Amino acid sequence: DAGVIQSPRHEVTEMGQEVTLRCKPISGHNSLFWYRQTMMRGLELLIYFNNNVPIDDSGMPEDRFSAKMPNASFSTLKIQPSEPRDSAVYFCASSSLAEQYEQYFGPGTRLTVT
Amino acid sequence: AQSVTQLDSHVSVSEGTPVLLRCNYSSSYSPSLFWYVQHPNKGLQLLLKYTSAATLVKGINGFEAEFKKSETSFHLTKPSAHMSDAAEYFCVVSDATGNQFYFGTGTSLTVIP
Repeated sequence: DAGVIQSPRHEVTEMGQEVTLRCKPISGHNSLFWYRQTMMRGLELLIYFNNNVPIDDSGMPEDRFSAKMPNASFSTLKIQPSEPRDSAVYFCASSSLAEQYEQYFGPGTRLTVT
Repeated sequence: AQSVTQLDSHVSVSEGTPVLLRCNYSSSYSPSLFWYVQHPNKGLQLLLKYTSAATLVKGINGFEAEFKKSETSFHLTKPSAHMSDAAEYFCVVSDATGNQFYFGTGTSLTVIP
């Protein structure tokens, strides 16, 4: 397996624009997580899904953020409208019960909002 | 509730000397514990995990950690540091379902030549 795949790897956008981050989890994993990492706040869990259903989105900072998982092999994190304070590295991770819930992380998307 | 405390935000060691990165956890049940490493501009990679089997866990790249329930600790060690070990290290405890990870604030390891 290629591991967790994220795209794009880098995104630079202007304030007010819509940003969509994409994630393909490892095949067979039934849990998917979105994290944000900044120098100030470290790693923060934004939302996670079990079997494509959002379970806990309490980490989503505000209504500008939304996440979907239309099927077991794809998830998106959307920011609309984006703001400079959204600049961060966004990680996607996936896990499964069979692997004792070890989380496998993607390489991340570095987002810069100017 | 679960939480993790990494006692040192920065650790500096000389190449070839031992590494000790400290982690204490709080959990209301028998936890699963993990150490992840993050090299600059990279994602997180699992070093090792403890899931209620042997208390001494061996991981990749010569790292190991010992689960000590009486001390609620899960310190990461390596006998001899290598330059390539310079990175950020995160101690993690999961919740009872395994669905949520609680990350420590990270320890930055510097290896001096």
